[in-house]
Amino acid sequence: DGGITQSPKYLFRKEGQNVTLSCEQNLNHDAMYWYRQDPGQGLRLIYYSQIVNDFQKGDIAEGYSVSREKKESFPLTVTSAQKNPTAFYLCASTTSTGAWGNTIYFGEGSWLTVV
Amino acid sequence: SQQGEEDPQALSIQEGENATMNCSYKTSINNLQWYRQNSGRGLVHLILIRSNEREKHSGRLRVTLDTSKKSSSLLITASRAADTASYFCATGISGYSTLTFGKGTMLLVSP
Repeated sequence: DGGITQSPKYLFRKEGQNVTLSCEQNLNHDAMYWYRQDPGQGLRLIYYSQIVNDFQKGDIAEGYSVSREKKESFPLTVTSAQKNPTAFYLCASTTSTGAWGNTIYFGEGSWLTVV
Repeated sequence: SQQGEEDPQALSIQEGENATMNCSYKTSINNLQWYRQNSGRGLVHLILIRSNEREKHSGRLRVTLDTSKKSSSLLITASRAADTASYFCATGISGYSTLTFGKGTMLLVSP
């Protein structure tokens, strides 16, 4: 089935550790996104990529890094510089570089907790 | 910055009743979309309405858009317990590569 796969679903991070969240899509979408969602809150954009080997910072990029080496994959690394990383992370994609006019498809999300 | 603001923040109704959620935004848009999120899950697209449309239907969903008031509403008719979820509006502006999401309305439908 086509879709977006995020892994792991639950992840625990110790203080000072970097962790990487995986996002893979088989929808042949050009654009991919990472959002952060805190409890009871909306979505905040972390990073987005419109094409392979290119990505842009969103509203809250500090403490995060991404790569886009393949069209299908857009992993997010939460670095130790991110002081409050506990949140629900959502990966998304859309058919073209103009997300404003297209449906965005989401993965099932990853819960990250700092222990 | 967040463009859309949903109202109310939370809504509790009985099965069979209609649920209405509103979204207001600040700048001119090209389209507005509504998404649904079940607890702990990803968002699912419900409906997209373009700036030149005033009303759109999809099953039990009815969306209106008033560009002069910069507002939209989502009506769910004959609600079911399975409609319990958070509902988000997202605005799209031509030339921008991303949508801007509001904080959502949490809908609880009791049997």
